Amino acid sequence: SQTIHQWPATLVQPVGSPLSLECTVEGTSNPNLYWYRQAAGRGLQLLFYSVGIGQISSEVPQNLSASRPQDRQFILSSKKLLLSDSGFYLCAWGLGGTNQPQHFGDGTRLSIL
Amino acid sequence: AQSVTQPDIHITVSEGASLELRCNYSYGATPYLFWYVQSPGQGLQLLLKYFSGDTLVQGIKGFEAEFKRSQSSFNLRKPSVHWSDAAEYFCAVGAGGATNKLIFGTGTLLAVQP
Repeated sequence: SQTIHQWPATLVQPVGSPLSLECTVEGTSNPNLYWYRQAAGRGLQLLFYSVGIGQISSEVPQNLSASRPQDRQFILSSKKLLLSDSGFYLCAWGLGGTNQPQHFGDGTRLSIL
Repeated sequence: AQSVTQPDIHITVSEGASLELRCNYSYGATPYLFWYVQSPGQGLQLLLKYFSGDTLVQGIKGFEAEFKRSQSSFNLRKPSVHWSDAAEYFCAVGAGGATNKLIFGTGTLLAVQP
Protein backbone atom coordinates (compact mmCIF):
# COMPACT_ATOMS: atom_id res chain seq x y z
CA SER A 1 0.00 0.00 0.00
CA GLN A 2 1.01 3.59 -0.50
CA THR A 3 2.16 5.83 2.31
CA ILE A 4 3.20 9.45 2.53
CA HIS A 5 5.53 10.91 5.11
CA GLN A 6 6.12 14.53 6.05
CA TRP A 7 8.64 15.93 8.47
CA PRO A 8 9.11 17.61 10.75
CA ALA A 9 5.65 17.59 12.35
CA THR A 10 6.27 20.91 14.09
CA LEU A 11 8.79 23.65 13.42
CA VAL A 12 9.45 26.99 15.05
CA GLN A 13 11.73 29.31 13.09
CA PRO A 14 12.84 32.93 13.43
CA VAL A 15 12.05 35.48 10.75
CA GLY A 16 14.74 35.51 8.09
CA SER A 17 15.88 31.93 8.64
CA PRO A 18 15.85 29.28 5.89
CA LEU A 19 13.29 26.51 5.59
CA SER A 20 13.28 22.97 4.30
CA LEU A 21 10.26 20.69 4.59
CA GLU A 22 10.42 17.22 3.16
CA CYS A 23 7.78 14.85 1.85
CA THR A 24 8.28 11.31 0.59
CA VAL A 25 5.89 8.79 -0.88
CA GLU A 26 6.23 5.02 -0.82
CA GLY A 27 4.47 2.29 -2.73
CA THR A 28 3.82 4.07 -6.01
CA SER A 29 5.79 5.32 -8.98
CA ASN A 30 5.70 8.65 -10.79
CA PRO A 31 3.04 10.21 -8.61
CA ASN A 32 1.90 13.78 -8.90
CA LEU A 33 3.01 15.65 -5.80
CA TYR A 34 1.44 18.73 -4.21
CA TRP A 35 2.24 21.26 -1.49
CA TYR A 36 -0.65 23.06 0.21
CA ARG A 37 -0.75 25.70 2.91
CA GLN A 38 -3.59 26.02 5.35
CA ALA A 39 -3.77 29.26 7.30
CA ALA A 40 -5.71 29.39 10.55
CA GLY A 41 -9.45 29.31 9.90
CA ARG A 42 -9.03 29.13 6.15
CA GLY A 43 -9.15 26.49 3.48
CA LEU A 44 -6.35 24.86 1.57
CA GLN A 45 -4.26 26.86 -0.83
CA LEU A 46 -2.31 24.94 -3.46
CA LEU A 47 1.26 26.27 -3.53
CA PHE A 48 3.10 23.95 -5.90
CA TYR A 49 2.58 20.77 -7.82
CA SER A 50 4.83 18.45 -9.75
CA VAL A 51 4.01 15.88 -12.42
CA GLY A 52 7.54 14.49 -12.62
CA ILE A 53 11.16 14.76 -11.49
CA GLY A 54 12.44 18.30 -11.83
CA GLN A 55 9.03 19.61 -12.99
CA ILE A 56 7.58 22.22 -10.65
CA SER A 57 4.56 24.43 -11.21
CA SER A 58 3.86 27.33 -8.90
CA GLU A 59 0.28 28.33 -8.23
CA VAL A 60 0.84 31.57 -6.33
CA PRO A 61 3.72 34.04 -6.17
CA GLN A 62 5.39 33.85 -2.81
CA ASN A 63 8.49 33.54 -0.73
CA LEU A 64 8.68 29.77 -1.10
CA SER A 65 10.06 27.36 -3.67
CA ALA A 66 9.74 23.64 -4.29
CA SER A 67 11.95 20.97 -5.75
CA ARG A 68 11.58 17.34 -6.72
CA PRO A 69 15.04 15.77 -6.78
CA GLN A 70 13.72 12.19 -6.88
CA ASP A 71 10.55 10.56 -8.14
CA ARG A 72 8.95 10.26 -4.73
CA GLN A 73 10.53 13.17 -2.89
CA PHE A 74 9.13 16.67 -2.73
CA ILE A 75 10.81 19.51 -0.85
CA LEU A 76 9.44 22.90 0.15
CA SER A 77 12.05 25.59 0.79
CA SER A 78 12.63 29.20 1.59
CA LYS A 79 15.83 31.22 1.80
CA LYS A 80 14.39 33.77 4.26
CA LEU A 81 11.16 33.15 6.11
CA LEU A 82 8.56 35.86 6.63
CA LEU A 83 5.98 36.10 9.39
CA SER A 84 3.31 35.48 6.79
CA ASP A 85 4.80 32.05 6.04
CA SER A 86 3.34 30.69 9.27
CA GLY A 87 0.74 28.01 8.77
CA PHE A 88 0.04 24.34 8.38
CA TYR A 89 1.75 22.78 5.37
CA LEU A 90 0.38 19.67 3.77
CA CYS A 91 1.94 17.43 1.17
CA ALA A 92 -0.23 15.20 -1.01
CA TRP A 93 0.19 12.71 -3.81
CA GLY A 94 -2.11 11.62 -6.60
CA LEU A 95 -2.08 9.81 -9.91
CA GLY A 96 -1.94 12.09 -12.93
CA GLY A 97 -4.16 11.30 -15.87
CA THR A 98 -6.79 9.82 -13.58
CA ASN A 99 -9.58 11.25 -11.50
CA GLN A 100 -8.52 9.50 -8.37
CA PRO A 101 -8.35 11.50 -5.16
CA GLN A 102 -5.26 12.98 -3.63
CA HIS A 103 -3.83 11.47 -0.45
CA PHE A 104 -2.42 13.67 2.25
CA GLY A 105 0.40 13.54 4.74
CA ASP A 106 -0.01 14.50 8.39
CA GLY A 107 1.25 18.02 7.85
CA THR A 108 3.87 20.34 9.33
CA ARG A 109 2.91 23.13 11.71
CA LEU A 110 5.26 26.05 10.98
CA SER A 111 5.44 28.96 13.39
CA ILE A 112 7.55 32.00 12.58
CA LEU A 113 8.74 34.15 15.48
CA ALA B 1 -14.05 29.36 -13.31
CA GLN B 2 -14.18 26.27 -11.18
CA SER B 3 -15.14 26.80 -7.56
CA VAL B 4 -16.53 25.06 -4.52
CA THR B 5 -18.73 26.70 -1.91
CA GLN B 6 -19.40 25.40 1.56
CA PRO B 7 -21.92 27.88 2.92
CA ASP B 8 -21.74 26.73 6.54
CA ILE B 9 -18.54 27.72 8.30
CA HIS B 10 -19.50 26.14 11.61
CA ILE B 11 -22.21 23.64 12.56
CA THR B 12 -23.11 22.20 15.95
CA VAL B 13 -25.20 19.06 16.29
CA SER B 14 -26.12 16.84 19.20
CA GLU B 15 -24.69 13.35 19.42
CA GLY B 16 -27.08 10.92 17.78
CA ALA B 17 -28.68 13.58 15.60
CA SER B 18 -28.54 13.51 11.82
CA LEU B 19 -26.09 15.65 9.88
CA GLU B 20 -26.04 17.30 6.49
CA LEU B 21 -23.11 19.41 5.30
CA ARG B 22 -23.69 21.44 2.18
CA CYS B 23 -21.43 21.73 -0.84
CA ASN B 24 -22.08 23.54 -4.11
CA TYR B 25 -19.71 23.49 -7.02
CA SER B 26 -19.17 25.31 -10.27
CA TYR B 27 -17.55 23.24 -12.98
CA GLY B 28 -17.92 23.26 -16.74
CA ALA B 29 -17.69 19.53 -17.33
CA THR B 30 -18.63 16.38 -15.48
CA PRO B 31 -17.31 16.97 -11.99
CA TYR B 32 -15.25 14.60 -9.93
CA LEU B 33 -16.23 15.29 -6.34
CA PHE B 34 -14.70 14.42 -3.01
CA TRP B 35 -15.30 14.87 0.67
CA TYR B 36 -12.37 14.93 3.10
CA VAL B 37 -12.27 15.12 6.89
CA GLN B 38 -9.53 16.76 8.96
CA SER B 39 -9.08 16.23 12.68
CA PRO B 40 -7.19 18.97 14.56
CA GLY B 41 -3.50 19.02 13.69
CA GLN B 42 -3.86 16.18 11.21
CA GLY B 43 -3.86 15.74 7.45
CA LEU B 44 -6.93 15.21 5.33
CA GLN B 45 -8.60 11.81 5.11
CA LEU B 46 -10.79 10.87 2.17
CA LEU B 47 -14.37 10.09 3.17
CA LEU B 48 -15.88 9.39 -0.23
CA LYS B 49 -15.72 10.22 -3.92
CA TYR B 50 -18.07 10.57 -6.86
CA PHE B 51 -17.03 10.03 -10.46
CA SER B 52 -20.14 8.82 -12.28
CA GLY B 53 -23.01 6.38 -12.02
CA ASP B 54 -25.12 6.09 -8.91
CA THR B 55 -25.64 9.57 -7.52
CA LEU B 56 -25.71 8.34 -3.91
CA VAL B 57 -22.25 7.29 -2.81
CA GLN B 58 -21.26 5.57 0.38
CA GLY B 59 -18.08 6.35 2.24
CA ILE B 60 -16.21 5.42 5.35
CA LYS B 61 -17.37 6.04 8.91
CA GLY B 62 -21.04 5.80 7.94
CA PHE B 63 -21.05 8.87 5.70
CA GLU B 64 -22.83 9.20 2.38
CA ALA B 65 -23.21 11.96 -0.17
CA GLU B 66 -25.67 12.65 -2.93
CA PHE B 67 -24.74 14.24 -6.25
CA LYS B 68 -27.47 16.46 -7.68
CA ARG B 69 -26.49 17.84 -11.05
CA SER B 70 -29.54 20.11 -11.31
CA GLN B 71 -28.57 21.83 -8.07
CA SER B 72 -24.79 21.63 -8.55
CA SER B 73 -24.61 20.12 -5.10
CA PHE B 74 -22.81 17.28 -3.38
CA ASN B 75 -24.05 17.29 0.21
CA LEU B 76 -22.59 15.04 2.87
CA ARG B 77 -24.89 13.19 5.26
CA LYS B 78 -24.76 10.94 8.26
CA PRO B 79 -27.88 9.56 9.96
CA SER B 80 -26.46 9.55 13.50
CA VAL B 81 -23.47 11.61 14.53
CA HIS B 82 -20.89 10.35 17.03
CA TRP B 83 -18.73 12.56 19.22
CA SER B 84 -15.69 11.35 17.26
CA ASP B 85 -17.10 12.99 14.11
CA ALA B 86 -16.16 16.42 15.43
CA ALA B 87 -13.70 17.71 12.84
CA GLU B 88 -13.45 19.96 9.82
CA TYR B 89 -14.94 18.75 6.57
CA PHE B 90 -13.81 19.81 3.11
CA CYS B 91 -15.57 19.36 -0.18
CA ALA B 92 -13.43 19.35 -3.33
CA VAL B 93 -13.87 19.14 -7.09
CA GLY B 94 -11.22 17.52 -9.23
CA ALA B 95 -9.93 18.95 -12.47
CA GLY B 96 -8.69 15.58 -13.69
CA GLY B 97 -6.17 15.46 -16.50
CA ALA B 98 -2.40 15.28 -16.14
CA THR B 99 -2.27 17.63 -13.17
CA ASN B 100 -5.28 16.16 -11.33
CA LYS B 101 -5.55 19.29 -9.21
CA LEU B 102 -8.26 19.69 -6.60
CA ILE B 103 -10.24 22.81 -5.81
CA PHE B 104 -11.31 22.91 -2.20
CA GLY B 105 -14.11 24.65 -0.38
CA THR B 106 -13.26 26.65 2.72
CA GLY B 107 -14.45 23.89 5.01
CA THR B 108 -17.17 23.34 7.61
CA LEU B 109 -16.18 22.91 11.23
CA LEU B 110 -18.43 20.39 12.97
CA ALA B 111 -18.91 20.43 16.72
CA VAL B 112 -20.79 17.62 18.46
CA GLN B 113 -22.63 18.25 21.71
CA PRO B 114 -23.08 15.40 24.19
